[in-house]
Amino acid sequence: NAGVTQTPKFQVLKTGQSMTLQCAQDMNHEYMSWYRQDPGMGLRLIHYSVGAGITDQGEVPNGYNVSRSTTEDFPLRLLSAAPSQTSVYFCASSYSVFSYNEQFFGPGTRLTVL
Amino acid sequence: KNEVEQSPQNLTAQEGEFITINCSYSVGISALHWLQQHPGGGIVSLFMLSSGKKKHGRLIATINIQEKHSSLHITASHPRDSAVYICAVRTGNQFYFGTGTSLTVIP
Repeated sequence: NAGVTQTPKFQVLKTGQSMTLQCAQDMNHEYMSWYRQDPGMGLRLIHYSVGAGITDQGEVPNGYNVSRSTTEDFPLRLLSAAPSQTSVYFCASSYSVFSYNEQFFGPGTRLTVL
Repeated sequence: KNEVEQSPQNLTAQEGEFITINCSYSVGISALHWLQQHPGGGIVSLFMLSSGKKKHGRLIATINIQEKHSSLHITASHPRDSAVYICAVRTGNQFYFGTGTSLTVIP
């Protein structure tokens, strides 16, 4: 198993540009989520999904969009990048939202918005 | 508002010392997770707790649901334990994270 994969590892955008951060898992996990990590703030939940076709907002959803058309993939879209979105982004997955399972994290994407 | 508070923020220890990291939370939870973030940035799950105590090798995690408090203990610390340790709580479908405890173990 590859686990949770994220692409790209690094990205630089200009203000106003859009892009998609990719996340995939090959463990047949139901629950997938996106977090951002900023210095001194800890990880914060952006969006999550409890299964294909089902998504919901987390703590900091503004400026981001998600969809879950398959169990494996959970892309995060930045609609119009802003410098405040400069951060490290982590995708994570766990087996089921209904049981107590550990989360598996991707390696992260470091995004800089100029 | 911080649903999850960790202490200390930074910790330096000599190799072999017993280490305790504390986590307090203010919301009702279904589970608490301890995570380790390596200097390279990768995050791995150490423990998931809903009650009591768990042990993996030199690591021990405890939780007191009534007091809304958890501790992570590292026995016989080693330089390879140097990392950021993060407490996270699950409430419903959402997770809330502490800001982490940066541990440095000196040989």
